[in-house]
Order: sequence, then structure tokens, then C-alpha cells
Amino acid sequence: DQQVKQNSPSLSVQEGRISILNCDYTNSMFDYFLWYKKYPAEGPTFLISISSIKDKNEDGRFTVFLNKSAKHLSLHIVPSQPGDSAVYFCAASVTGTASKLTFGTGTRLQVTL
Amino acid sequence: NAGVMQNPRHLVRRRGQEARLRCSPMKGHSHVYWYRQLPEEGLKFMVYLQKENIIDESGMPKERFSAEFPKEGPSILRIQQVVRGDSAAYFCASSPGWTGQYTEAFFGQGTRLTVV
Repeated sequence: DQQVKQNSPSLSVQEGRISILNCDYTNSMFDYFLWYKKYPAEGPTFLISISSIKDKNEDGRFTVFLNKSAKHLSLHIVPSQPGDSAVYFCAASVTGTASKLTFGTGTRLQVTL
Repeated sequence: NAGVMQNPRHLVRRRGQEARLRCSPMKGHSHVYWYRQLPEEGLKFMVYLQKENIIDESGMPKERFSAEFPKEGPSILRIQQVVRGDSAAYFCASSPGWTGQYTEAFFGQGTRLTVV
């Protein structure tokens, strides 16, 4: 039972354009959402997060949007840079469960020149 | 300020052997989490530990797998009698623990276990 889904396994975007990565979840108990970036042979690195009491959180080039009624969140990267090429994981947790995270399967982003 | 340290980075075991994976959390972190990533999949939660306590092991296979986080020393994930299906990347994460609001976990670089 995949509670967090990333339906696009890969995405290719030109440098300078916007990258939009999508994530859907099914568990209504999730109230905190995170995006992690992962390079090959390395561990995931935290990027940005959002609490369910908000619908948007911005940090530099990265913005996360949350639509609770649709159980959908998205990560926008603008402008995209070649160094952004990596696998991006969406993750969710329930308040009180500390850092016990449920991850999606990831989207491989390739930023081309 | 060292991050989460995992060793070894790569581990090869024959079927039936034991695998021991180690994780030293970030300084000041008292909570450790183990995740497993199978090929082409996302990370799956295995176990959550505090010093000398297992808090949540709902993701641990019922047999052959165990985890500990002793008062002194690193956290250990132990897999007995390994099988080919245990081949995966095992990631450890640490956090300072529950402070009343969410604190993100920091991940180590992982141990890639290959069972031959």
C-alpha cells in the first residue's frame, strides 16, 4: 500500500526553466511533508518542508505547495540549474511520530544545458 | 561538526552470513532511524530507536533483523542469515528528538549491502 506516490519516475527540464515535481498521498493523518534530494551513492539531503496548516512554503529557488483537499503537493524549482539534477523524494509524517517518514518512490530530475 | 556516520559504506556477504551495519548519529542527536531502499524504490522505514530503547519497529521484518542503540557506541542494525533479497541500501538518520514541533532528520551516506 503506497501511501505516498510520485507518479513521474523522471523529468527533464532545460536550464533556467521551471521544474515541477508532484506528489500525492492517501493517508489523511499525514500533517507534515518534506522534500529530499538524493545524489547517487549518497544519503538523502533535506530540501524544504511544509506543515499542513500552510499551503505554501518558499526557500530561495524552491517552493512547496500543498493542496490538502486534493492530498497533493508539488515542488517548484525556479530557475532550474544543472546541479539540481538528482532524484527527489517526497516524504510525509504524522505529528508526534518524530522523524518516522513515509517516502514516495522518487522522481529523477535531469536539468539540461 | 560531523554528520551522521555509517560504516561500512559497502558490505558483501554470502548467503547465510551475518551483516552488521553501524550508525553514529550527529552530535547532540539522541534518536536514530533506519531505512532500507530496494533498487528502484523509495526508502522504507524500518525502526526508530532512542538510547537503549526501541520506540517503533513496525517496519522491521519479523525474523533475522534486529537493531540496537546502546548507551555507549553506535546504533547497530544486524541481519542474520542474509538472503539475496536483503541486498539493498540501508540508510540511518538521526534527529534531536521530539521538541514539540517537527525537526527534520539528517541522513548518513548509507551502507550498500550485497548478498552473493
